Formats: sequence, C-alpha cells, structure tokens
Amino acid sequence: GAVVSQHPSRVICKSGTSVKIECRSLDFQATTMFWYRQFPKQSLMLMATSNEGSKATYEQGVEKDKFLINHASLTLSTLTVTSAHPEDSSFYICSAPRGGKGTEAFFGQGTRLTVV
Amino acid sequence: AQSVAQPEDQVNVAEGNPLTVKCTYSVSGNPYLFWYVQYPNRGLQFLLKYITGDNLVKGSYGFEAEFNKSQTSFHLKKPSALVSDSALYFCAVREGAAGNKLTFGGGTRVLVKP
Repeated sequence: GAVVSQHPSRVICKSGTSVKIECRSLDFQATTMFWYRQFPKQSLMLMATSNEGSKATYEQGVEKDKFLINHASLTLSTLTVTSAHPEDSSFYICSAPRGGKGTEAFFGQGTRLTVV
Repeated sequence: AQSVAQPEDQVNVAEGNPLTVKCTYSVSGNPYLFWYVQYPNRGLQFLLKYITGDNLVKGSYGFEAEFNKSQTSFHLKKPSALVSDSALYFCAVREGAAGNKLTFGGGTRVLVKP
C-alpha cells in the first residue's frame, strides 16, 4: 500500500491566491522529504529538500518566497505556492526516503495544480 | 555531480516481445541505481534498485535490470512485454556520498501495442 500520501490530488485556484499541498509519510518517520515539479512529458525537477525542524534547502533557481516549505513534524511536509500565477501550473510530487542511502524513495501520488 | 541519461524518449514494442529501456549514469563514487514507473497523473512507483552485489537485479512486475560498471549502464528489461506496461519509466541515481538526493533521467515512454 501507499506509504507516502499527498493531498490534494488536483486543485484549481485563481491567480494571486495561495495553495497548500501536504505530503505525509504514513508508516515511517521522514526527517527529509523532497519536492519535485514535473512539466508535461518531462522529467522530475527537484525543487527543494524539506528538513524536519530546520529550513528547507532550495535548488538553484527556485524562489524560496514563492514556494514555502514547512516540515513541522516527522511525518508531514507542506509546500505552499504563494500568489500563484498560471505559469505555476504543473504537477508537483513529493517523496520521502524510508531509510538510509541504499533504500528506495517513496513518492506521493502527485498534485496537479492549475492556476486560472 | 551525478547525472543520468535515458537516450530514448520513446520505445515501441509489440506485446509479448522483449522490452529494453536504456539508462547510463555518471557519478564520482559508488552509484545507487533505481528504476521507477509512472502512470498518467500519478506519482512514481518503485520497480527495482542496485546497491551492491549481483549485477542482475530482479524487481516488480517481471522487470529486471543489469548493472554494467564498465559501460556505466543500468538498462531495464522485461522478457515479454504486456500492454499494461505502457507507461513512463525513469532511471535514477544516488551517489553514495551525496545524501538522499536522487537525480532522474529524462524518462522514456514505453508503448506496448497489442
């Protein structure tokens, strides 16, 4: 069964509003979670690494103030797209490694964000 | 820096025929290699991984992959493809010393025709 749950699966919002996406590890604790963005027919682009109890680490070119990440507990990370614009429309996916470096990462179901 | 290349954007195969999806990687240390599959509007599902040991790794749904250090490759294979195998496949690498960050290839779309 799914070990990482992402919610909502799809959301439509108006330009200028903010949207929060949740990522939960269901049966394990995740001190680190990853947020990806995927454009149509393209690969996953790592946006940021979410660290429990500390600030997220953002990849180059990703706006920290635009994509707010909070990892307040060992099982929950949230990504908030602030003041969304149509160009923010995309598929966002979170993942969490279940163990050490040799273990596979588990992925959420993804969130299709459409900004109108 | 670590990188992954999937040279084929799409692979077409007839049902029942062998399926191969190619992947090459580049890391400075020991690679941890993974294959994932993605169905439309879904997250990624883990298929198999190579960490150490036997070069031939068997995974879910009848897939297997062979680690070739000299060619820095980790091609995904299935002896007999099913229509239901049609999906987007991603190869990923994690360098042993690079924390838990995964680097993905560009993805290969597999289309299995009946």
